[in-house]
Amino acid sequence: DAKTTQPNSMESNEEEPVHLPCNHSTISGTDYIHWYRQLPSQGPEYVIHGLTSNVNNRMASLAIAEDRKSSTLILHRATLRDAAVYYCILRDELDNQGGKLIFGQGTELSVKP
Amino acid sequence: DAGVIQSPRHEVTEMGQEVTLRCKPISGHDYLFWYRQTMMRGLELLIYFNNNVPIDDSGMPEDRFSAKMPNASFSTLKIQPSEPRDSAVYFCASSFYRLASEQYFGPGTRLTVT
Repeated sequence: DAKTTQPNSMESNEEEPVHLPCNHSTISGTDYIHWYRQLPSQGPEYVIHGLTSNVNNRMASLAIAEDRKSSTLILHRATLRDAAVYYCILRDELDNQGGKLIFGQGTELSVKP
Repeated sequence: DAGVIQSPRHEVTEMGQEVTLRCKPISGHDYLFWYRQTMMRGLELLIYFNNNVPIDDSGMPEDRFSAKMPNASFSTLKIQPSEPRDSAVYFCASSFYRLASEQYFGPGTRLTVT
């Protein structure tokens, strides 16, 4: 699976938007971009995924660059409960490996009141 | 559904002892994954099953580790004999695989080997 690069850590203020970047310059045409997050002392949880177009759900938005070599996870109003490690993962959906996930180091987001 | 269930939540054992971790996936899911998380190595995929059959165990660190899935609602990860370097949090996850489907993770088992 192609590699992703994320900042090790980011800080945000409560109730402000947060933009979490992810670089994936070697992305292939069949790679979907998945985001998971891991809150303290919990298992990872799904956040959002996309292929080419920007995506929105109740948790976040995903903005994908036109060349797909980078993407940004957007939390519109950060809350203290959004403090977590956020993982950007590329997954080849035609590889038929059951959707296994290869985690990088992720970005540790801290939210200040 | 109650989500993915793992037991025990915490396990402390002495080096050399056998350890068995248990997982109940979400009903109807056809894939089950075992991951391990340490500070040094992050989250690593150990093994995964499809319809109770092991598909890829290339992440299993050594022969001391074994995993089974005797039926669709139960899986075990066994370490025998355990060593201090096996101390980690072990996560089980399941999914109903379709294009870009998500995985659902359990709360994890924190294993400490002294």
